[in-house]
Amino acid sequence: KAGVTQTPRYLIKTRGQQVTLSCSPISGHRSVSWYQQTPGQGLQFLFEYFSETQRNKGNFPGRFSGRQFSNSRSEMNVSTLELGDSALYLCASSLGTAGTGNTIYFGEGSWLTVV
Amino acid sequence: AQSVTQLDSHVSVSEGTPVLLRCNYSSSYSPSLFWYVQHPNKGLQLLLKYTSAATLVKGINGFEAEFKKSETSFHLTKPSAHMSDAAEYFCVVSGAPGGSYIPTFGRGTSLIVHP
Repeated sequence: KAGVTQTPRYLIKTRGQQVTLSCSPISGHRSVSWYQQTPGQGLQFLFEYFSETQRNKGNFPGRFSGRQFSNSRSEMNVSTLELGDSALYLCASSLGTAGTGNTIYFGEGSWLTVV
Repeated sequence: AQSVTQLDSHVSVSEGTPVLLRCNYSSSYSPSLFWYVQHPNKGLQLLLKYTSAATLVKGINGFEAEFKKSETSFHLTKPSAHMSDAAEYFCVVSGAPGGSYIPTFGRGTSLIVHP
C-alpha cells in the first residue's frame, strides 16, 4: 500500500513569489493535515481537510491556504513568500480527523527555501 | 485543552545501553498518545500508539512506552540502543473533545548514540 506522497521534495523560491505543494494521501484516507517544521518553532499545525472541507486551521496568516479535491488529494499554497517561510512542510493523512485520536501517517515532506 | 512536554531536548547514550525518552502530557480527557521518529531529511514514522487498551504499548524496532495516568507520563524506552536509533523523537497527544481537535506535538528529543 503506497504511503503519503508529497511533491515536490525540494524547491527554492524568491521572496514575494507563491508556491503550491501537493499531497496524495494513503488510499482510503479522507483526512489530510499539513504541518510546518522549523528548527526554531518545531512542528506546527497549519490546517486539516476532511472530505474537501477545512476542519481546523492553525495560527498562520492568510497567506497560507489549502484545498482538498474529491479524490482526497490536497494542495497547500503560500502566497507572497517571506524568508521566514523557509521550512519543511509535512503532509499527513488519516482515516478520520487528525485531532480525534486517529493515527496520522506522514509523507517525507517538501523542503522550501525562500531566498 | 491539551499539551505535551518532552523533558529532554537531547539524550546521549552508548550503543547497547538502555534508552529513556521522557514525555509528560496534560489533557482534561483520556487522550490518545503517540511516539514518532524522524530520521534526517525524512518525514515522521509512527513508533507506537496508546489508546487505553493496555498501559504498556509495544512498538516497532524494540521500542515500548508505558502510560501512567497518575504521573501523566508516556515515556519511551528501549533496552539496547543501536546506532540506527539516532534520530529525533516526537511525543504527540490527540483526542481532546470539545476543543480544537488538533494534534499537539512535543518539541522533540534528539537521540544521540555513541559507538
